[in-house]
Order: sequence, then C-alpha cells, then structure tokens
Amino acid sequence: KAGVTQTPRYLIKTRGQQVTLSCSPISGHRSVSWYQQTPGQGLQFLFEYFSETQRNKGNFPGRFSGRQFSNSRSEMNVSTLELGDSALYLCASSLWGQGAANTEAFFGQGTRLTVV
Amino acid sequence: AQSVTQPDIHITVSEGASLELRCNYSYGATPYLFWYVQSPGQGLQLLLKYFSGDTLVQGIKGFEAEFKRSQSSFNLRKPSVHWSDAAEYFCAVRPSGGSYIPTFGRGTSLIVHP
Repeated sequence: KAGVTQTPRYLIKTRGQQVTLSCSPISGHRSVSWYQQTPGQGLQFLFEYFSETQRNKGNFPGRFSGRQFSNSRSEMNVSTLELGDSALYLCASSLWGQGAANTEAFFGQGTRLTVV
Repeated sequence: AQSVTQPDIHITVSEGASLELRCNYSYGATPYLFWYVQSPGQGLQLLLKYFSGDTLVQGIKGFEAEFKRSQSSFNLRKPSVHWSDAAEYFCAVRPSGGSYIPTFGRGTSLIVHP
C-alpha cells in the first residue's frame, strides 16, 4: 500500500508569490491534515479536511488555504508569501479523521518551502 | 487549551544504554497521547499511542510509554538504544472531544554515541 505522497519535495519561491502544495493520502483514507514545521515554532496544525469539507482550522492567517477533492487528494495554497513562511509543510492522512477514537495519522515526507 | 512540554531539547546516550524521554501535558480531561519519531528530511512516524485502558503502551522499534494521570506525563522509554534510534522525537496530545486539534511538543533530539 503506498504511503502519503507530497509533491513537490522542495520549492523555492520569492516573497509575494503564491504556492500550491499537493498531498495524496493513503488509498481509502478520507481525512487529510496539514502542518507547518519550523525551528522557531515547532509543529503547528494548519487545517483538516474530511470528505471535501474543512473540519478544523489552526491559528493561521487567511493567506493559508486548502481544499480537498473527491478522491481525497488535498492541496494547500499560500498566497503573498512572506519570508516567515519558509518551513517544512507536512501532510497526514487518516481513515476517519482526528475526531474518531483510535484513529492513526500517517505522515508524508513533507514539502520544504524556502521563501527568498 | 492543551499544551505539551518536552523539557529536554537534546539527549545524548551511549549505544546500548537505556533511554527515557520526558513528556508532560496540560489538558482538562484524559487526552489521546502519541509519540512520533522524525529522521532528518523525513515525515513523522508513529511510535505508539494511548487512547484508554492499560497505561503501559508498547510501540514499534522496542519503545514503550507509560501514561501517568497523576503526573500528567507520558514518558517514552527504551531499554537499549541502537545507533539507528538517533532522531527527533515528538510527543503529541489530541483532545478526546471538542475540536480534536493536536498539539505537539517542541521535540527532543536524541544523539547516540557508539
């Protein structure tokens, strides 16, 4: 069974640009969550999608958005990039979503975004 | 709001020695608790989880953790460390109700000396 796939693995963007990151969950998983990992702030929850609906959102500005498609694949978009958006963005998929008891999240390898 | 504290930023052990990584949490009820490991350039891999029941939890790679409600702790242990265990370890808390948004600790970097 293939794991969680994130593309691209590495990205370099310029301040003010926008970027779209992609996450393909494990086959059959309906929930996709996104996290930002930085040395200064650690791992922070961005948002969770389940069956194409955003169910939870972390404390990030509106420049960060996402969506989920009918095949459960998810994309995350960051507009008007800032230097502080440089981070490892991790995607995790799970069968039922974070609200379900005894559910486990499987993480992808992440997309390393560098904003210059 | 819940919080997670991993008091040790770095821990250095010799190969073959025992290991204990500390994790303390703050949450009003019993949360779901997790330990993850992250190797350089990789995502997170789940080592073990606690939802309910037996407070001593066995995980993969020979790791175990014990949930102590009275101390709000969920420390990770391994009796004999291997060089391949060198990585970053994260403790995480997820509420058992409400928003279900997880909170991660800042991580403990494990260095293993031969």
